[in-house]
Amino acid sequence: NAGVTQTPKFQVLKTGQSMTLQCAQDMNHEYMSWYRQDPGMGLRLIHYSVGAGITDQGEVPNGYNVSRSTTEDFPLRLLSAAPSQTSVYFCASSYSGTGFYRYTFGSGTRLTVV
Amino acid sequence: DAKTTQPNSMESNEEEPVHLPCNHSTISGTDYIHWYRQLPSQGPEYVIHGLTSNVNNRMASLAIAEDRKSSTLILHRATLRDAAVYYCILRDDISGNTPLVFGKGTRLSVIA
Repeated sequence: NAGVTQTPKFQVLKTGQSMTLQCAQDMNHEYMSWYRQDPGMGLRLIHYSVGAGITDQGEVPNGYNVSRSTTEDFPLRLLSAAPSQTSVYFCASSYSGTGFYRYTFGSGTRLTVV
Repeated sequence: DAKTTQPNSMESNEEEPVHLPCNHSTISGTDYIHWYRQLPSQGPEYVIHGLTSNVNNRMASLAIAEDRKSSTLILHRATLRDAAVYYCILRDDISGNTPLVFGKGTRLSVIA
């Protein structure tokens, strides 16, 4: 089924380790973004991209890296994991440009940093 | 993006209508009103959106005040599956390419 696929679904990291959260979509959406959600909170934007080769920072970008080499994929890299990065991470995609376009979200990656 | 104000939580009985309010007194002329909801342990999903006129779809209705400074999401008959956090979001869809910015939303509980 078409949609946004996030892998892995669960991950436990030790402090200082690095890892990449994967996000892929098959809807030919230009716009992709990463959010984190801490317990009892709304989603906060980490990074977003309006097309291949273009990325920009959101509200909470520190400690995270992104790149967009293809339309389909938008991986999120944690450079040196910290306990404060324990959260649920959601990837979203949408068509880009003027006008309304609905966002499609993945089912999330639950990350624990110990 | 202009900010929205929603109640932290609301409760409804099953099979009854639910009116979820959202205040957005600083809305600009190019801001669309978006509603998303997040079911437990899932990513958010689109519910409905509007600009000036009231809107209906199979999931809900959106009533927008004439001055656009507030709106109400209406679930006509709440079911247990509607228990979720509902987010009211303003986004400048006319300019395009601006991120969707979430607040804390309203947690809706549905009682059987």
